[in-house]
Amino acid sequence: EDQVTQSPEALRLQEGESSSLNCSYTVSGLRGLFWYRQDPGKGPEFLFTLYSAGEEKEKERLKATLTKKESFLHITAPKPEDSATYLCAVQLYNNNDMRFGAGTRLTVKP
Amino acid sequence: GAGVSQTPSNKVTEKGKYVELRCDPISGHTALYWYRQSLGQGPEFLIYFQGTGAADDSGLPNDRFFAVRPEGSVSTLKIQRTERGDSAVYLCASSANSGSGETQYFGPGTRLLVL
Repeated sequence: EDQVTQSPEALRLQEGESSSLNCSYTVSGLRGLFWYRQDPGKGPEFLFTLYSAGEEKEKERLKATLTKKESFLHITAPKPEDSATYLCAVQLYNNNDMRFGAGTRLTVKP
Repeated sequence: GAGVSQTPSNKVTEKGKYVELRCDPISGHTALYWYRQSLGQGPEFLIYFQGTGAADDSGLPNDRFFAVRPEGSVSTLKIQRTERGDSAVYLCASSANSGSGETQYFGPGTRLLVL
């Protein structure tokens, strides 16, 4: 059965304390893996798409990487404004919907 | 340019009532998606439109749920005989094309509460 699992469920960091969020998946025929950020009461905001193992993408303090089994979202020197829930989702070949993990709720304390 | 918009932002209704939720996609986007998000969970796929037609409605939980997109732009999600278990955030997303791998851009959602 296709599954997307994110860990940890919640993460509390001090400002400047770098860490990584994990998204592991067991799917057949991965077409793309997506990372979104969601603030309370808002819709998911697109961050990255990764298509093949070994691919990396960066945006400000965030870097996403992809292997054949998992993706990491690395956060370097986070700031309080990085506090949010980070969602990953997979999309399969010949299928347009996305399957989401439950998210990691990140809190960055000043 | 404007993003995906959804109305109303909040909807409170009573069990058994009928509700309609509206989605305005990004201008020019041909693909439109509806998802449902329960508290503490990721969004769950409901239905996908390519143009005016529902290309995949496999995520609709039962026949009380129905969605339309008559002119290939605005979409309405309709829920009949609402139940307390329908309470959730209903998210709409759109993408420029329908190809797998296209980025989906989400609206702010409609928070539905069924009393």
